[in-house]
Amino acid sequence: GAGVSQSPSNKVTEKGKDVELRCDPISGHTALYWYRQSLGQGLEFLIYFQGNSAPDKSGLPSDRFSAERTGGSVSTLTIQRTQQEDSAVYLCASSSTGTTGNTIYFGEGSWLTVV
Amino acid sequence: AQSVAQPEDQVNVAEGNPLTVKCTYSVSGNPYLFWYVQYPNRGLQFLLKYITGDNLVKGSYGFEAEFNKSQTSFHLKKPSALVSDSALYFCAVSVMEYGNKLVFGAGTILRVKS
Repeated sequence: GAGVSQSPSNKVTEKGKDVELRCDPISGHTALYWYRQSLGQGLEFLIYFQGNSAPDKSGLPSDRFSAERTGGSVSTLTIQRTQQEDSAVYLCASSSTGTTGNTIYFGEGSWLTVV
Repeated sequence: AQSVAQPEDQVNVAEGNPLTVKCTYSVSGNPYLFWYVQYPNRGLQFLLKYITGDNLVKGSYGFEAEFNKSQTSFHLKKPSALVSDSALYFCAVSVMEYGNKLVFGAGTILRVKS
């Protein structure tokens, strides 16, 4: 498709379970970002991939969160041992390059509910 | 550190009237400024950005924003509001020293009444 694609769009999981969220960026975009949107915290940066460089993980809230990007395209965000405070919308985004000022395009998000 | 303030949680305006959604920023270098819109249960849609050059930036759906360096502001404006403009609006900033990572404001709900 033409835009950033995320799956699943909705996920309900039990506390303590692991979840995986997938992101397919816009074709040809070398930079990929994960953000989290929650009522209490607004929009938070989580992690950023640029080409073959080491990812910027400075926004990951705990070691339960990890992400990888395979083949420079698709990315998976993994949350281990989910907690109720992990309930949020996880937004993936991409830009053509990681150059500051490049427009970042967002997907529709994955809505995660931990019960 | 960089930060963005959107001082109004909500802005109400009548259809056909001009609208302004306020944004101020604090950065240590030259700012790159963005506006995004979010409709209910949707992702963020890019509206416009300021990188350099003309302080008045025009974007999608008739929106524009003016970069004011002395007031560190980047207010979003539209001459004539539509009911369909009702949504959540986010201002964001990035600076070169931190790469292309956006720092967002808390968001402003815009309600346009007919």
